[in-house]
Amino acid sequence: AQSVSQHNHHVILSEAASLELGCNYSYGGTVNLFWYVQYPGQHLQLLLKYFSGDPLVKGIKGFEAEFIKSKFSFNLRKPSVQWSDTAEYFCAVNSGGGADGLTFGKGTHLIIQP
Amino acid sequence: DVKVTQSSRYLVKRTGEKVFLECVQDMDHENMFWYRQDPGLGLRLIYFSYDVKMKEKGDIPEGYSVSREKKERFSLILESASTNQTSMYLCASSFRRGYTFGSGTRLTVV
Repeated sequence: AQSVSQHNHHVILSEAASLELGCNYSYGGTVNLFWYVQYPGQHLQLLLKYFSGDPLVKGIKGFEAEFIKSKFSFNLRKPSVQWSDTAEYFCAVNSGGGADGLTFGKGTHLIIQP
Repeated sequence: DVKVTQSSRYLVKRTGEKVFLECVQDMDHENMFWYRQDPGLGLRLIYFSYDVKMKEKGDIPEGYSVSREKKERFSLILESASTNQTSMYLCASSFRRGYTFGSGTRLTVV
């Protein structure tokens, strides 16, 4: 079975600081990788995804993630965070064509202080 | 845009009640999913379905069942609700590798 590990459960940063959220997965075969964000009181939104090709993926709102196959990692980054980035962030993985659902990490609660 | 609609935003039910959570998607997706979301635990897959009348257990199916009589509708059933099923329930649908989530139903069992 797949598993996803997010290393930081709570992160507090000041505005303009750089962000990196760690994500490691356990599945050894071909994987599809996702980062989702959930703003307070809102539904899950897709930030970015990786299926194949360039391992550096750019998403919405200035986020990017790098797939490093040898490390089974898919870390999320943003060079300069804003107060509006305060949210819960989830890394997720699945294999194959997507019929079998996503396996999520436990989430990282990010608080940006003005 | 694909829409996944969950019929209730908030529900309060009593212990032992039979509870139905409804989910409808409008884009003819074959795959549908039910997750529960709990603080510190992330989202965990309860059941999923890849076709009408087909269902597969996810990671935490105990205490739940599902029904998919029509392609667009996927129902989650709590046969006898218990307090440990108090949670946020999220429905999703997918086509190939693109997933769309509903807004969630916050269920409280008292």
